[in-house]
Amino acid sequence: AQTVTQSQPEMSVQEAETVTLSCTYDTSENNYYLFWYKQPPSRQMILVIRQEAYKQQNATENRFSVNFQKAAKSFSLKISDSQLGDTAMYFCAFGLNYQLIWGAGTKLIIKP
Amino acid sequence: NAGVTQTPKFQVLKTGQSMTLQCAQDMNHEYMSWYRQDPGMGLRLIHYSVGAGITDQGEVPNGYNVSRSTTEDFPLRLLSAAPSQTSVYFCASSRDSPTTYNEQFFGPGTRLTVL
Repeated sequence: AQTVTQSQPEMSVQEAETVTLSCTYDTSENNYYLFWYKQPPSRQMILVIRQEAYKQQNATENRFSVNFQKAAKSFSLKISDSQLGDTAMYFCAFGLNYQLIWGAGTKLIIKP
Repeated sequence: NAGVTQTPKFQVLKTGQSMTLQCAQDMNHEYMSWYRQDPGMGLRLIHYSVGAGITDQGEVPNGYNVSRSTTEDFPLRLLSAAPSQTSVYFCASSRDSPTTYNEQFFGPGTRLTVL
């Protein structure tokens, strides 16, 4: 069975700093997708970035980028130039066979 | 587009009561799903549907029923509510499977308390 682990329950950084959130997963599959979702205080779940396992190039979306290490089963999220609006819960998710398996989340607080 | 809508936003039930959480989407998405979110845990998939008339169980299906008679609607039924079902429930939809390149869109959630 697939599992997703986020080892940092909470992190806080100053505005404009760079922060990296960790995610590790366990699977015996070779082709799958990985996702980072953001849940701000409004509770609305929003897709941040996604990565296809067979692509070696790390995905990037504006200030958000990932460091995907397939052999290590690691999928970290880097947020550059952090903004107050980045304050949220961040969830890592593993996708396979119509189902997403989610990590427990990291609460990220951006301080002014 | 309204996106994914859920009703009600809040609900309090007594143990043993039944109720239906409503979910609708207006994006003509084939895939719809129900998750529950508990404190300190990630989302857990309850049931999902890949199209009208087709449903399947997720990670935690016990105590819940679903049906998909139309593309737009995907109601979740609690047959006999238990305190362990106290949670926040999210409905989500995507054009196709969300485990590939399709973005999944979430509703605003329903906070359910079972006394």
